[in-house]
Amino acid sequence: DIQMTQSPSSLSASVGDRVTITCQASQDIGHFLNWYQQRPGKAPKLLIYDASILESGVPSRFSGGGSGTDFTFSISSLQAEDFATYFCQQSNNLPVTFGQGTRLEI
Amino acid sequence: QVQLQESGPGLVKPSETLSLTCTVSGGPNNRYYWNWIRQPPGGGLEWIGYINYRGTTNYNPSLKSRVTISVDTSKNQFSLNLKSVTAADTAVYYCARAVRGTGPDAEFHHWGQGTLVTVSS
Repeated sequence: DIQMTQSPSSLSASVGDRVTITCQASQDIGHFLNWYQQRPGKAPKLLIYDASILESGVPSRFSGGGSGTDFTFSISSLQAEDFATYFCQQSNNLPVTFGQGTRLEI
Repeated sequence: QVQLQESGPGLVKPSETLSLTCTVSGGPNNRYYWNWIRQPPGGGLEWIGYINYRGTTNYNPSLKSRVTISVDTSKNQFSLNLKSVTAADTAVYYCARAVRGTGPDAEFHHWGQGTLVTVSS
């Protein structure tokens, strides 16, 4: 299985801050890396797919990049509703696997 | 708007079989990959497996010996059976849709709301 390592596991920030999360794959996954947001008690929501493509309806303050084994996810100016947990996921190989999550706290 | 909704018992006894159904509404249901994903309380996400529009299944090797996913296209439903459950199978179970299994279009655009299944006697 491909191991996905996210960092940091938790992050404290303030409204208006820019934050960046990284995700590293244990082997080359091309650009098949996806990012999800999960609020407490809710299902994950797709934000970015294929490393950098913004899902329809997702605000442009969210962005992603990278390829191969190293990927980043950024929020340019945090809003109150962005405080949640974020997961990366590789969809290059089966079984698809997720990072352990990054909890973004105020 | 596509909607997915999980249903099934919220409590299952150890050694028994966990059975869940996902009902799909609001869109065409052909040519997709129908997935099950789970998340233990306070934990991360684990892909369980999928069944596609051809009826082909693929399971996570960690669960393969205990999992069966099936589809009933006439009812717009697909189902998960997980046998011989233990407390380690306690989790929120999600169904999710993708266009492919891997590669382009394999991301999960649509998810159910999730259902908590507790394994306990």
